[in-house]
Amino acid sequence: DSGVTQTPKHLITATGQRVTLRCSPRSGDLSVYWYQQSLDQGLQFLIHYYNGEERAKGNILERFSAQQFPDLHSELNLSSLELGDSALYFCASSPTPRVGGDTEAFFGQGTRLTVV
Amino acid sequence: AQSVTQPDIHITVSEGASLELRCNYSYGATPYLFWYVQSPGQGLQLLLKYFSGDTLVQGIKGFEAEFKRSQSSFNLRKPSVHWSDAAEYFCAVGPYYGGSQGNLIFGKGTKLSVKP
Repeated sequence: DSGVTQTPKHLITATGQRVTLRCSPRSGDLSVYWYQQSLDQGLQFLIHYYNGEERAKGNILERFSAQQFPDLHSELNLSSLELGDSALYFCASSPTPRVGGDTEAFFGQGTRLTVV
Repeated sequence: AQSVTQPDIHITVSEGASLELRCNYSYGATPYLFWYVQSPGQGLQLLLKYFSGDTLVQGIKGFEAEFKRSQSSFNLRKPSVHWSDAAEYFCAVGPYYGGSQGNLIFGKGTKLSVKP
């Protein structure tokens, strides 16, 4: 158990809908990273928050947004869903603003989103 | 641009045989390097990491990896594979110290199958 909790584990929804994925980082970790894993694109970095502030954006669509709350949990909002958004969405956390040195990222088990 | 290449999409080895998974990176400075493993239905678990010092690093589950700066490689090895090692393996680079970006960049993964 990495200590990172993601809910829900599975989500099935229709095209055009909006969903919210939730991530609770490890106790004490200030950074939350969101990744999308799909068969064709692999693990793509979406967005990084540190202590409530957005630090970096990766390949995140405009239909997607995220935030980190004062209690440090994070939510990833996906709207106007398309079939191609079906993927496994991972959240990771770390204690510092960047991964490296003696700091690693701990991953949750992911939320599998299926858009039908 | 920063990137990670894992040239082998799928590798099959016999149980008890040795294993080497290849990873090449493109980065502007000496990066932090990581290997993660993902078992079916699970999140990513860190196997080992390199950030300085001895270029041969030991990890969990009997894995090791060697950093070769001249070849921009960080190959993962295991002398004797067990059936439980069947999983997908991801190589990743982390940001260099002083860089503004904090996240990991992943390769597309190598799926390992183990024959009895």
